[in-house]
Amino acid sequence: GAGVSQSPRYKVAKRGQDVALRCDPISGHVSLFWYQQALGQGPEFLTYFQNEAQLDKSGLPSDRFFAERPEGSVSTLKIQRTQQEDSAVYLCASSLLISNQPQHFGDGTRLSIL
Amino acid sequence: AQKITQTQPGMFVQEKEAVTLDCTYDTSDPSYGLFWYKQPSSGEMIFLIYQGSYDQQNATEGRYSLNFQKARKSANLVISASQLGDSAMYFCAMREHSGSARQLTFGSGTQLTVLP
Repeated sequence: GAGVSQSPRYKVAKRGQDVALRCDPISGHVSLFWYQQALGQGPEFLTYFQNEAQLDKSGLPSDRFFAERPEGSVSTLKIQRTQQEDSAVYLCASSLLISNQPQHFGDGTRLSIL
Repeated sequence: AQKITQTQPGMFVQEKEAVTLDCTYDTSDPSYGLFWYKQPSSGEMIFLIYQGSYDQQNATEGRYSLNFQKARKSANLVISASQLGDSAMYFCAMREHSGSARQLTFGSGTQLTVLP
């Protein structure tokens, strides 16, 4: 597809369950980012990949959060033992490596933890 | 420290009028980029306009222009001839070019409502 694709669009899970969120970036985009957006707030950075290498994971809030991009294209964000404070929209973005190029976002996954 | 500040939680504008959304930023990096994104209620983040710190002219994209005042560290978005479809959340974001960080830092956003 032409844009960044995220799935599922909505996810409801019980506290303590593991969840996996998928991101399919724009073809040819080297950089891939995950952001977390709480209700009424701006997105906050979680982690960054350049191709398959995870170069920055400083924004991951705990060791329950794990991200991978094994072949340098599709990425998965996994949250283990979910807690209610994990409820948020998770946005994936991709971009070219050039610094003045914008990041293009997917529609996000809205995660609700019951 | 807050790097991006958007002081207007909500703004109203009459259809066909112009509106300015404020954004101030804080950085010691001499090279950086400023971005504006639109987020309708459906949730997608739509890129609007980019301004580089070394760009001599203010960026423009159709009805969007960026009023960049480097000395004041402000990068206000101007939307001309507002349309009902412009009603959305607007985010200012910055990326610092020095160092290894490549992520965007976002402000808290401004909810714009265009009135008919």
